[in-house]
Amino acid sequence: DGGITQSPKYLFRKEGQNVTLSCEQNLNHDAMYWYRQDPGQGLRLIYYSQIVNDFQKGDIAEGYSVSREKKESFPLTVTSAQKNPTAFYLCASSIDVGQGINQPQHFGDGTRLSIL
Amino acid sequence: AQSVAQPEDQVNVAEGNPLTVKCTYSVSGNPYLFWYVQYPNRGLQFLLKYITGDNLVKGSYGFEAEFNKSQTSFHLKKPSALVSDSALYFCAVRDRTGANNLFFGTGTRLTVIP
Repeated sequence: DGGITQSPKYLFRKEGQNVTLSCEQNLNHDAMYWYRQDPGQGLRLIYYSQIVNDFQKGDIAEGYSVSREKKESFPLTVTSAQKNPTAFYLCASSIDVGQGINQPQHFGDGTRLSIL
Repeated sequence: AQSVAQPEDQVNVAEGNPLTVKCTYSVSGNPYLFWYVQYPNRGLQFLLKYITGDNLVKGSYGFEAEFNKSQTSFHLKKPSALVSDSALYFCAVRDRTGANNLFFGTGTRLTVIP
């Protein structure tokens, strides 16, 4: 089945520690996204990438980093600089903007990050 | 700047009754509009979209939405609610003229009462 796989489902971070959230897609989508979801705040965009080896900051990029070395993969690192990392993190993908700007984004099932 | 408002945090409806989840938007030019649903500890699932054409859009699981340009609204509707429709619903807008990113509302929690 084609889809987006996020791992792990649950993750715990110690103070001062960096953690990396995995996102893999086999939909052959060019664009990938990372969102943070907090109760009552909807989804906020952290980073997005429209093509391999290129990515852009979203609305709340501070304290996060990403890489896009392969089309299928878009890992998110939550660094120790992110002082309030407890949230539900969602990865999404979509067809390239130029070809399908009206196409929906497809979402993974998320990673819930908590602080120990 | 783009924005989306979902004025109701919570909507309760009896099973079998019609349901409406409200959404209003603000965007430059004509918008692309989307509805998504989220079940507990899951990602978002796409329900339907408005791009152009008929103002009444039909989507998955019997849902539909009505685009109203004069009121800048895109309300989600269903003629007869099911208990299994209980979930968190998000409205989103994408600006045609710029980046492809989605701007989400804060979500509305729908509870269908048996």
